Amino acid sequence: GQQLNQSPQSMFIQEGEDVSMNCTSSSIFNTWLWYKQDPGEGPVLLIALYKAGELTSNGRLTAQFGITRKDSFLNISASIPSDVGIYFCAGMNYGGSQGNLIFGKGTKLSVKP
Amino acid sequence: DAGVTQSPTHLIKTRGQHVTLRCSPISGHKSVSWYQQVLGQGPQFIFQYYEKEERGRGNFPDRFSARQFPNYSSELNVNALLLGDSALYLCASSPRGGDGYTFGSGTRLTVV
Repeated sequence: GQQLNQSPQSMFIQEGEDVSMNCTSSSIFNTWLWYKQDPGEGPVLLIALYKAGELTSNGRLTAQFGITRKDSFLNISASIPSDVGIYFCAGMNYGGSQGNLIFGKGTKLSVKP
Repeated sequence: DAGVTQSPTHLIKTRGQHVTLRCSPISGHKSVSWYQQVLGQGPQFIFQYYEKEERGRGNFPDRFSARQFPNYSSELNVNALLLGDSALYLCASSPRGGDGYTFGSGTRLTVV
């Protein structure tokens, strides 16, 4: 099935570092979302973006909806141990009570040994 | 407030068997969607239902079917199970079908 291109696939963080990840698509979306998934749990919505160029923050998290509507990035500032997990981007074209999410393969955040 | 609840949490089935997975949406949510998440991948869309009508179907074989009941709960059925059907099956509910998707914790299906 279709999946978005998400990078990096994995990264190691040290507490206090800033983290960046991005997502690209060959298709246009009218909504971009970022989720975090912990082991044994379903994805939890972090940030939703609805307009091209939109920059939205949620605490230490900042995400942007690309101008071309084909990409998005997520930044995490001053990372803490509980930021560890898998982050997924998802694109959606919503209209008329219909809309399904197309997910990336995920970026796995781990703590530097 | 209860979130999206899925049952069972874990399930082991044999190849060729049939399985039914259940989902109860958040109270007031009228749309339910199903996703399959294979290990190491992002979730893949299977079905979306809104007000008991199918609104979308992903690229899955006819062995997969679903329905939504008058109380907005939903079932996902998979017939003639294959080893490749082993995955985490996620249910997501939404108030109107396109926004505010909240996921359940999933059902871990293992086919042996």
